[in-house]
Amino acid sequence: NAGVTQTPKFQVLKTGQSMTLQCAQDMNHNSMYWYRQDPGMGLRLIYYSASEGTTDKGEVPNGYNVSRLNKREFSLRLESAAPSQTSVYFCASRTVQETQYFGPGTRLLVL
Amino acid sequence: AQSVTQPDIHITVSEGASLELRCNYSYGATPYLFWYVQSPGQGLQLLLKYFSGDTLVQGIKGFEAEFKRSQSSFNLRKPSVHWSDAAEYFCAFHSGGGADGLTFGKGTHLIIQP
Repeated sequence: NAGVTQTPKFQVLKTGQSMTLQCAQDMNHNSMYWYRQDPGMGLRLIYYSASEGTTDKGEVPNGYNVSRLNKREFSLRLESAAPSQTSVYFCASRTVQETQYFGPGTRLLVL
Repeated sequence: AQSVTQPDIHITVSEGASLELRCNYSYGATPYLFWYVQSPGQGLQLLLKYFSGDTLVQGIKGFEAEFKRSQSSFNLRKPSVHWSDAAEYFCAFHSGGGADGLTFGKGTHLIIQP
């Protein structure tokens, strides 16, 4: 039981490049989330998916798109990366008891 | 608006001393409250949570937290800290309705002095 897994662990992009961050969970959770973590800001919600086939915007969705591919997988896409998107990205999934479990994170640097 | 405040950005504690990390929330009803810990370069690990019932909740690694409705607080405590407790601690909140995400405080960085 791996919990929540994320790939890649590290990525360096140039401004304007695109990439997709992958997330998968093996806990059969319905709800999944993408957060970004910036120094002194805590974690902020980018997008979430309450169930397979649905997605909703969070606090900071601009510049991102998401896909809930199936119940296990929830990907985050940066279509045209900007230096402001340099951050650590965390994926999480949630139990029916409201508890969220987090992946190890993806560290992204946009030059 | 719903919010979580962690007033202390940094706290330094001597090894073996007691610890209290503060968390205050702003919400009209009783929220779901969480404390997470993040070691350097790692993801977030759940320490404990409060949904309802007994206002003193026990967590992993010897941590506990007390929900005080009158003070809108959910402070984290540990009687005796260990060097391995050095980490970033986040308080988080959820309204309990819907599948939207957690609202996090900005975190408290705990430093342990030998």
